[in-house]
Amino acid sequence: DQQVKQNSPSLSVQEGRISILNCDYTNSMFDYFLWYKKYPAEGPTFLISISSIKDKNEDGRFTVFLNKSAKHLSLHIVPSQPGDSAVYFCAASAQGQGGSEKLVFGKGTKLTVNP
Amino acid sequence: EPEVTQTPSHQVTQMGQEVILRCVPISNHLYFYWYRQILGQKVEFLVSFYNNEISEKSEIFDDQFSVERPDGSNFTLKIRSTKLEDSAMYFCASRRTGLTEAFFGQGTRLTVV
Repeated sequence: DQQVKQNSPSLSVQEGRISILNCDYTNSMFDYFLWYKKYPAEGPTFLISISSIKDKNEDGRFTVFLNKSAKHLSLHIVPSQPGDSAVYFCAASAQGQGGSEKLVFGKGTKLTVNP
Repeated sequence: EPEVTQTPSHQVTQMGQEVILRCVPISNHLYFYWYRQILGQKVEFLVSFYNNEISEKSEIFDDQFSVERPDGSNFTLKIRSTKLEDSAMYFCASRRTGLTEAFFGQGTRLTVV
């Protein structure tokens, strides 16, 4: 049951360049999407989120884009820094009336930013 | 910055034994969760808890599992009779009213031998 899919297990970019992490979902009831970053031996850390009524949300170097018709979202990191090297999880929830507040996670994409 | 804290960081237990994983959520948060991540797999939802009762649980959360908020600060996950397949990283999370993002603890690695 892969309601949230991150098809790239890994991504490698040069410091200063853009990192683009992708996520697809299948459940049209999802109305809120989140990105978490995870370092080894730590819990997921919340990065940025977007409601389904928006198509873009920006926070500093991080921007999330949502394409509802394609059921696709992406996280852009510009410029990428070596400290951004981590596993990035896409997550979704169906918060609407009668929905579920649980987060459904993708498998994650391991980002490596090379100096 | 307030954070969710979990203890212990690593627990090794014999199959069939009971374990209790402990969490202290962020103090002004009212929604609490347990998730787990089996090695190499996704982070999976187990249970959500609000107003002193379970609000939602997954099919993983069977009769072997229970949660409790024994006092004003702790939130615990009990596994009554552990199985080998319960070995995983268990994450506690909490959320503030009005926000969707949950904040996670650093996790407890449970190893059942």
